Amino acid sequence: DAGITQSPRHKVTETGTPVTLRCHQTENHRYMYWYRQDPGHGLRLIHYSYGVKDTDKGEVSDGYSVSRSKTEDFLLTLESATSSQTSVYFCAIGGRANTGELFFGEGSRLTVL
Amino acid sequence: AQTVTQSQPEMSVQEAETVTLSCTYDTSESDYYLFWYKQPPSRQMILVIRQEAYKQQNATENRFSVNFQKAAKSFSLKISDSQLGDAAMYFCALEASGTYKYIFGTGTRLKVLA
Repeated sequence: DAGITQSPRHKVTETGTPVTLRCHQTENHRYMYWYRQDPGHGLRLIHYSYGVKDTDKGEVSDGYSVSRSKTEDFLLTLESATSSQTSVYFCAIGGRANTGELFFGEGSRLTVL
Repeated sequence: AQTVTQSQPEMSVQEAETVTLSCTYDTSESDYYLFWYKQPPSRQMILVIRQEAYKQQNATENRFSVNFQKAAKSFSLKISDSQLGDAAMYFCALEASGTYKYIFGTGTRLKVLA
């Protein structure tokens, strides 16, 4: 299994508070991704990174920011959480530079009250 | 822009029978990968099968096979001899060369009946 861990795995927070989710990999993959999963929408790409300090937006990037200061860590930040950001968030690594497939973390369930 | 469409929100199959999950996609790229991922109740995303667009031969992995129709932009998954452990959400995904973005469909929930 790809060495990829997400933290926290579960979080409950209140509207307006900042939240940071962490994705940590031990596989030295160049590409890292953040997705959110919602019923009826599947997985939607939020942001992705193609190297240290190199990031780009996905389909649903509004309200989210990311940072990647070192290869192994990719942080997703909700500056001011809203109820519409209640979701399950998945980090993934991999891509064309490797075998082509994505390897996923176990997901982080975020509830914004 | 790339899109992936799964038009079957839910499917059921009798244990030991065969079921086919549908997926259509759209991309203007000629070089791309297609994937089927399985998500059991544990929530872990598991790769089921992968198809490179340049390969004419349909990919197979044990009981799982695809019907890749490039001209029709169709990529269906066939599960043979269905087992209770196949019950899960199945997602179709597309990665088009040069985009580095993996686009997923909305998923099909498969129920396996004993």
